[in-house]
Amino acid sequence: QVQLQESGPGLVKPSGTLSLTCAVSGGSISSSNWWSWVRQPPGKGLEWIGEIYHSGSTNYNPSLKSRVTISLDKSKNQFSLKLSSVTAADTAVYYCAREVDSYYPDWGQGTLVTVSS
Amino acid sequence: EIVLTQSPATLSLSPGERATLSCRASQSVSSYLAWYQQKPGQAPRLLIYDASNRATGIPARFSGSGSGTDFTLTISNLQPEDFAVYYCQQRSLWLTFGGGTKVEIK
Repeated sequence: QVQLQESGPGLVKPSGTLSLTCAVSGGSISSSNWWSWVRQPPGKGLEWIGEIYHSGSTNYNPSLKSRVTISLDKSKNQFSLKLSSVTAADTAVYYCAREVDSYYPDWGQGTLVTVSS
Repeated sequence: EIVLTQSPATLSLSPGERATLSCRASQSVSSYLAWYQQKPGQAPRLLIYDASNRATGIPARFSGSGSGTDFTLTISNLQPEDFAVYYCQQRSLWLTFGGGTKVEIK
C-alpha cells in the first residue's frame, strides 16, 4: 500500500512562501496517478489545492492558481507544494494524497502550517 | 465550479440507529461522487466511490446511492466508531468537497 508523509516548516511569516514536501513510499511517483494537495483550516472543511501527474502536468484550484506551484522530484520519489504570499487565511492542516480514478484512497497524516509573525 | 451542499450539518443519533446523510450537487456529476469519513486529528478515509461502491475494507453497513445531483450515504446500525464527520467529493472540471456532516452521539 502506498504511504505518504508530509514535511516542512510549521510556521510561516505573512507574505512569505509556504513550502511542503510529500515523500511517497510503497509505490512509484512515476506511476499513472495524479498526486494532490488538500488543505483544511482549523475546524473547517476540505479544500483541494491542486495536483500533478507523473508527466509533470498540473491542475490548480482557480482560487489559488496565481499563488500555487506543485512540482515533482522523481529521483527522491516525492512531490512538493509552494504557496506564495501567504496570509493568516492560509493557516491549515495540509495533506498530500494519491488520486485514483478521481478519488483519494491514500492520504498522508497531514501537517499543520500556521501563518503568523 | 460545482458546489456540493451537505445536509444536515449535524446529525444526533444513538448507537444502533440508522444515519442518512445527503449531498446535493449544483449541477449533474453523473455518478462521479465519493464519500469520506474523518475523525479528529486524522486524515479523511475513503468510504464510497462512484456513488455506490464501497472502498477496500469498508464495512457493509456503509452504503451509497444516487446519481445526477442528489446523493445519499446511509450508515445502518451505527457503531461507536462511526461518530465522525463525513464529506462528499466530486471531480468534474476540478475537484470540490462538500461542507461536511457531523454525526454525533445523542
